[in-house]
Amino acid sequence: EVQLLESGGGLVQPGGSLRLSCAASKFTFSNYAMSWVRQAPGKGLEWVSAISGSGGTTYYADSVKGRFTISRDNSKNTLYLQMNSLRAEDTAVYYCAREGPGVIIQYFQHWGQGTLVTVSS
Amino acid sequence: QSALTQPASVSGSPGQSITISCTGTSSDVGGYNYVSWYQQHPGKAPNLVIYDVSNRPSGVSIRFSGSKSGNTASLTISGLQAEDEADYYCSSYTSSSSVVFGGGTKLTVL
Repeated sequence: EVQLLESGGGLVQPGGSLRLSCAASKFTFSNYAMSWVRQAPGKGLEWVSAISGSGGTTYYADSVKGRFTISRDNSKNTLYLQMNSLRAEDTAVYYCAREGPGVIIQYFQHWGQGTLVTVSS
Repeated sequence: QSALTQPASVSGSPGQSITISCTGTSSDVGGYNYVSWYQQHPGKAPNLVIYDVSNRPSGVSIRFSGSKSGNTASLTISGLQAEDEADYYCSSYTSSSSVVFGGGTKLTVL
């Protein structure tokens, strides 16, 4: 069964930085696009960013463009999200999600359990 | 990109059918057959129940079905069961090469 395990969340001050990681297993990581999706406390889902299987193509939501960077290391089966210039409104549970076979930013077939990021002074 | 519009809540009795709507624009729902639906129980990660408008992933009950007409997609759950009580989110690919979610619908099984 596909496994996705996020880490790196925590408390950070406004303007600070944080890097999230997502360790993938039980599938051929490089064959699949990956995304980050977040959920603010008590709120709905918001797509954040996506990356192709090779890492050569990336997409970002307008709300994080220029501040967040998605990347992946296929040799380590790991997805990353570098978050800079963090704001209070970035406070959320961040989910790593695997896309469906052969697609990107189309649907999210498997999800991790999430890691909480809290931006507060 | 504005969120897709879903009803805040729907309810039904065990055994009944319910439908949740998801309204967007011609730049998202109406323009592509890339609408998906997710079920989320409290404190849990979302779970895909419908993709590409009407396809059901392996392991998802046949009681779940999806459709689309114009700018509105719909999720129907037939034969409601207590375990179906959860939040449901629709999402769509957009013309801006992004994904937009609906605001979510809380399903209560009476």
